[in-house]
Order: sequence, then structure tokens, then C-alpha cells
Amino acid sequence: AQKVTQAQTEISVVEKEDVTLDCVYETRDTTYYLFWYKQPPSGELVFLIRRNSFDEQNEISGRYSWNFQKSTSSFNFTITASQVVDSAVYFCALSDTGNQFYFGTGTSLTVIP
Amino acid sequence: DVKVTQSSRYLVKRTGEKVFLECVQDMDHENMFWYRQDPGLGLRLIYFSYDVKMKEKGDIPEGYSVSREKKERFSLILESASTNQTSMYLCASIPAGQSYNEQFFGPGTRLTVL
Repeated sequence: AQKVTQAQTEISVVEKEDVTLDCVYETRDTTYYLFWYKQPPSGELVFLIRRNSFDEQNEISGRYSWNFQKSTSSFNFTITASQVVDSAVYFCALSDTGNQFYFGTGTSLTVIP
Repeated sequence: DVKVTQSSRYLVKRTGEKVFLECVQDMDHENMFWYRQDPGLGLRLIYFSYDVKMKEKGDIPEGYSVSREKKERFSLILESASTNQTSMYLCASIPAGQSYNEQFFGPGTRLTVL
């Protein structure tokens, strides 16, 4: 069965600190896709990134970076030099070829000014 | 610009009422989803639909039903609302066969059942 685990329920950091949000997944499929979403206080989920199971290349987008490691079934998300606007709930998700999506329980990040 | 809209951002209903949550997408997507979000539990799938008049149960369908009469509209129905259905409800859509793409989410409906 597919499963996504985000062990960190809540994280608080002081502005300008780096923070890493962990995501561990389980799947028996060889083809799958991983996602990160951000949910600001307004409530709407905002797509951040996707990765397919054949592409382990890490990605950087501004202050955001993602580390995908199949060997440890992890897809971690790092925010460098955090800002107050980064405060949100972050969800990691997995999809398979069956059109279903599996979400982690989310990590609530608070950036303190 | 792609868009998923939900009929209400906030809704307050009484126990036993029949509640309709509406979701409309303008992207001609075949697949639509209803999730429920609760603190510490993340997003849990209630129902999804992969075509008009087609539906599949998700992980927590009890107490809910759905209707998909038109491709762009997917309705979630609480036949007799209960206090344990107080939650945030999120609708999402995606084209058929594109699980490699992200889902597009609506803004959510925060439902309170008194």
C-alpha cells in the first residue's frame, strides 16, 4: 500500500534560519510521482514541485531545494534563509499510475521574525 | 488560468441538515476529488470521480455521497450532517491519466456543524 509519512508535526524557526522538512514514502510501484504543496493560512494548496521515480536529480528553486533519495525513500524539502512568508503547512504527496494521490499529515512551519 | 472553485469558503449547519458542497472546474478535467482535512490527519480522500456519473469511494466515504452530472461539477453531499463532520473540505481536479501532474485545488470550504 502507498503511504507518506511526515514525522515532523510542527517546526518553529527564527527568520533567516535554514529548515528541512522530511518526507518518507512507501510504495511497491516502480513508477510513481512525488509532490510538495504549501498551504498558507488562506487555505488553498499551492503546488511547489513534482518528481518522478526515475529522476533523482535534486532541484533548487530560489531559496527552496529538494533532495530525492530512492535508497532511503525520502523526498526532503529545505528552505534556506527562511522568511515569515514561509509560514504555512507543507504537504508531501505520492501518486501512482492509478490516478490516486496519497498525502502525508503535513508539517506546520512557523517562522518567527 | 486554471481554476477550481468551491461554492462557499465558510459554512455553518446544524446537526441533521442535508449539506451540499459544490465544486466547479473550468479545465475540462475528467478526474475530480473530494478530500477532508483535519489537524494531524492531513488530507483524506472521501470520493473521487473519473468521469460523468462515475464515482469511486475513497478512504472515508461513510456519511457522504457525491454527484457528478456534468463534467465540470462535482458535488459532495452530507445526507444528515453530524458534528464529527466539522472539517475543511477540499476539492481537486486533474486530467485523466495524468497522475504525474499536480492536482489543482479549490480554496476549500470550512464547514462547522453545530
